[in-house]
Amino acid sequence: EPEVTQTPSHQVTQMGQEVILRCVPISNHLYFYWYRQILGQKVEFLVSFYNNEISEKSEIFDDQFSVERPDGSNFTLKIRSTKLEDSAMYFCATRGGLAGEEQYFGPGTRLTVT
Amino acid sequence: GQQLNQSPQSMFIQEGEDVSMNCTSSSIFNTWLWYKQDPGEGPVLLIALYKAGELTSNGRLTAQFGITRKDSFLNISASIPSDVGIYFCAGQPPLFGNEKLTFGTGTRLTIIP
Repeated sequence: EPEVTQTPSHQVTQMGQEVILRCVPISNHLYFYWYRQILGQKVEFLVSFYNNEISEKSEIFDDQFSVERPDGSNFTLKIRSTKLEDSAMYFCATRGGLAGEEQYFGPGTRLTVT
Repeated sequence: GQQLNQSPQSMFIQEGEDVSMNCTSSSIFNTWLWYKQDPGEGPVLLIALYKAGELTSNGRLTAQFGITRKDSFLNISASIPSDVGIYFCAGQPPLFGNEKLTFGTGTRLTIIP
């Protein structure tokens, strides 16, 4: 069964450093999303991406965040200058092209900022 | 922003018991989804609901989309040990092109031996 994959599974970084989280969507899916989950809390939407541009973003997704799909397969989330409060699980999700299709989540990347 | 209230927050049951949890919202959703999350892993989709009043089953799981479009419930019958985890509801609003999911606060299911 096709699945969303994410790398790395765990990233430890120092405050102020840049990190790039990577996602490989399910083949043929067209809509891509990033969510985050702070430990013990609910999953929160960050950004949606379609046709090589951001379609919606939340207030969490400030200028420190960016997304791109550089090679047509990987979908990346970059945090330019990490803060302690960026420590969380980051999930990529993807959806096919038909209305009403569900979002499928990857296993997540645990980001720890020290 | 939209808020989803999910209850109960946690449940402690014995194996074989039935489980019921629900989500309510102050605003309308077009789609309700139920996910299960195991520790350290991503949410896994259990059931998707697209129409008000819809009742859908997936094995021992049954979920319904409330007729007001502001609520949904999930039932698990005859619970087994692998049902342990956190269950999240998620709603998708009706605006075309607005696909973000709003997640509930989760229900943690524990099975007492």
